[in-house]
Formats: sequence, structure tokens, C-alpha cells
Amino acid sequence: GAVVSQHPSWVICKSGTSVKIECRSLDFQATTMFWYRQFPKQSLMLMATSNEGSKATYEQGVEKDKFLINHASLTLSTLTVTSAHPEDSSFYICSAKDRLPRNEQFFGPGTRLTVL
Amino acid sequence: AQKITQTQPGMFVQEKEAVTLDCTYDTSDPSYGLFWYKQPSSGEMIFLIYQGSYDQQNATEGRYSLNFQKARKSANLVISASQLGDSAMYFCAMRAAGGTSYGKLTFGQGTILTVHP
Repeated sequence: GAVVSQHPSWVICKSGTSVKIECRSLDFQATTMFWYRQFPKQSLMLMATSNEGSKATYEQGVEKDKFLINHASLTLSTLTVTSAHPEDSSFYICSAKDRLPRNEQFFGPGTRLTVL
Repeated sequence: AQKITQTQPGMFVQEKEAVTLDCTYDTSDPSYGLFWYKQPSSGEMIFLIYQGSYDQQNATEGRYSLNFQKARKSANLVISASQLGDSAMYFCAMRAAGGTSYGKLTFGQGTILTVHP
């Protein structure tokens, strides 16, 4: 199957700093990427949908100024957690789909963020 | 709005036995897709099986099969001949029908499966 990478795989930062997480599709062009957040032993919650070349669409309750998403190319989307606080500590997972009407959606390995 | 419900927080099964993980869904869309994913402790999401709402036959992928009962709005996952490596969290998910939301997945709460030797 297609490969999606995320970087970094884990990050620890101080409260008030910003953290950038990258999501890359390695062997296909991702017209759409999705960002999910998962708290321990809970389900994945969609944060936003990122379409290449346009503004991201955020789910209800997700602060767009807090979680900045950029999808500047067909292989890269970034999520920046601005002014991170301990409650932002979570597992962030991206997924990507290409132009084809595939039934499978390709997930990255996830990034574990810990805010001290 | 779409909703996925997994009512089993945890399930236990003996190695080599079969196990069924329950999933019910709710949607007003006539066209939808249902997925099952496995998430081991490493956190990666592993695609297992897909069922389209118009598919006439139940999907099968190796040891995984999906018991799709459209009238009951259920899409249970059956794992045959369980292996120790099957121990993980399992998620049922539904894909939005189309438009700008196409590809967006709504996940159930998950079921933690533990396989005993």
C-alpha cells in the first residue's frame, strides 16, 4: 500500500511554545489530507480536512488559530500547534488520499506530543 | 450526521478461536463506506477491511470478514483463528458520502481485543 510518513514521531515541548508536525505522502500525490487527534485509550477525532492549495476545513470546536494547517504541496501537509499547553498533549495522526476513488485511506504512524 | 457505535470496550478470546467485534452505525446517506482498522500499541492505523453500502456480498480479507447487515445497520468484524498478534485496539469507521467531505472518517469508540494463549 501507499506510504505516509509523519515527523517527528514524538516531541516534548515547554508550555507556550509552538510545534510543527509534518505529514508526507511518499509515493503518491495526496489531494486531501486529514488530521486526527487521539487521547489515550480513546477514539480518533477528526480535527480538520486539508485540501492542497486551499484553506483547511476545521471540525466544530477545533480552534483554527490554535491548530494551523498548511497543505502547500501535493505531498506535504503541516499541522502547527501554536502556544501549546499541557491539555494539547495527545497523539496526532494524519491520513492522506489521492485522486483515485480508493477504498483505503493511508494513515501516517502518528506523532506523540507532550507539553510540559 | 454520521455515528458509529462500538459497544464492547474490551473482548477476550482464546488463541485459534474466532471472535466477533460489534459495530453499528447511523447515517442518512444512501451511499457510504464502512472500514475496520487495527491499532496496535505502536499507534499505527492498519487497514483491515472495507464494505461499501451497495456491495451485495460481505467483504472478506484473509482471516477477516465483515458481517454486513444493512437493515440492522451493523457491520461486525469477524476474526477467525485468532493469533496472539491480533491483540490490539480495533476501530470501526464510516466514510462520508461525497463532496468536500469525501474521505473523512468517523470512528467508533474502539474495542480492545486481547488474545490469550
